[in-house]
Amino acid sequence: TQLLEQSPQFLSIQEGENLTVYCNSSSVFSSLQWYRQEPGEGPVLLVTVVTGGEVKKLKRLTFQFGDARKDSSLHITAAQTGDTGLYLCAGANSGTYKYIFGTGTRLKVLA
Amino acid sequence: DARVTQTPRHKVTEMGQEVTMRCQPILGHNTVFWYRQTMMQGLELLAYFRNRAPLDDSGMPKDRFSAEMPDATLATLKIQPSEPRDSAVYFCASGHYNEQFFGPGTRLTVL
Repeated sequence: TQLLEQSPQFLSIQEGENLTVYCNSSSVFSSLQWYRQEPGEGPVLLVTVVTGGEVKKLKRLTFQFGDARKDSSLHITAAQTGDTGLYLCAGANSGTYKYIFGTGTRLKVLA
Repeated sequence: DARVTQTPRHKVTEMGQEVTMRCQPILGHNTVFWYRQTMMQGLELLAYFRNRAPLDDSGMPKDRFSAEMPDATLATLKIQPSEPRDSAVYFCASGHYNEQFFGPGTRLTVL
């Protein structure tokens, strides 16, 4: 069974601080996605990475796919209160649209 | 602004009753997913369809759950009979290629 472990599970920081969230697995994935979910809503796709070592930036968010395609990280620079939410990673294997979701990191950014 | 819609948004029912959840995917999307989210288990894939054909329902308890796509604009998830352990938020998502767009979810409480 493929599992995606995210760390930390909870994170509470002050506005303006930087943070990194990790997504780790013992399995190789052909693609990996990051989502943000706010209370009462469904997850919203932030990014998809498909190449080992790939780095993608989305404004203050930087996503990296590990060289071996077993892990990923999400770095947020100068966090804002609007970044508060549940961050989920999800991995899939080639030829399938079956994404396995990670355990999630609940981020709270305080003003 | 195309969105996935789900009805009902909230459902409270008693153990043993039948529950039907409906989803309208985004027009043009050929893949539809059903997920369940709980605090303990996180986000789990129950089933998914491609071009209305079921591709994988291995995440679904077959004795009580059923998922169908009677046409391209409607996906249904049925639980019969419902049990308290089915209490969760059920999400529908639609997409194509690597993207998934989630609906707002149906919060189900089985008493």
